[in-house]
Amino acid sequence: QKEVEQNSGPLSVPEGAIASLNCTYSDRGSQSFFWYRQYSGKSPELIMFIYSNGDKEDGRFTAQLNKASQYVSLLIRDSQPSDSATYLCAVGERNTGFQKLVFGTGTRLLVSP
Amino acid sequence: GAGVSQSPSNKVTEKGKDVELRCDPISGHTALYWYRQSLGQGLEFLIYFQGNSAPDKSGLPSDRFSAERTGGSVSTLTIQRTQQEDSAVYLCASSWRTSSSYNEQFFGPGTRLTVL
Repeated sequence: QKEVEQNSGPLSVPEGAIASLNCTYSDRGSQSFFWYRQYSGKSPELIMFIYSNGDKEDGRFTAQLNKASQYVSLLIRDSQPSDSATYLCAVGERNTGFQKLVFGTGTRLLVSP
Repeated sequence: GAGVSQSPSNKVTEKGKDVELRCDPISGHTALYWYRQSLGQGLEFLIYFQGNSAPDKSGLPSDRFSAERTGGSVSTLTIQRTQQEDSAVYLCASSWRTSSSYNEQFFGPGTRLTVL
């Protein structure tokens, strides 16, 4: 079982819709969770981080964390074509004191006009 | 302020040559990471520096790869006797918080290495 799993996609949504990106992780003791956006040919950009159960909102983005289910998600409201990118989920690695991140392979999001 | 910078942005080399890739982290950041991303693949951890501690080299794929960090700031990743399978984008990231659970990493633009 991979430590951090994401559906590779592509996830296709129409402009204005809500995009829901999901990530599961294997280490029940994980405490830090990150979402990165990576445009084609560019480096990953940190867009959200969450450490506590529940929701965290930042503009059109909401991160949701459920530690009991070992599940973290990213919701993008009012999706725009400019949101089309690959979204990487990353989890702090417990046996390194959370100093290293384990990345999923990413979900490709396509937002059509 | 300035973000993480990397140089060169592109490097084309011949098989068997040595290459050096440079990373300049965000000022004040104590932790520095190197990753590799092959075409269409995920991020592969290579090495991690934290302050003055010994680096975590657990991700280096072979002894042809080495890295150093001078003065707790700039880092150089060296690949000796390059092979075609070394072709990838090499990404550097830095972070400043050292306590558990706080490790937001910020990435540089990467160096695209092509080995002919």
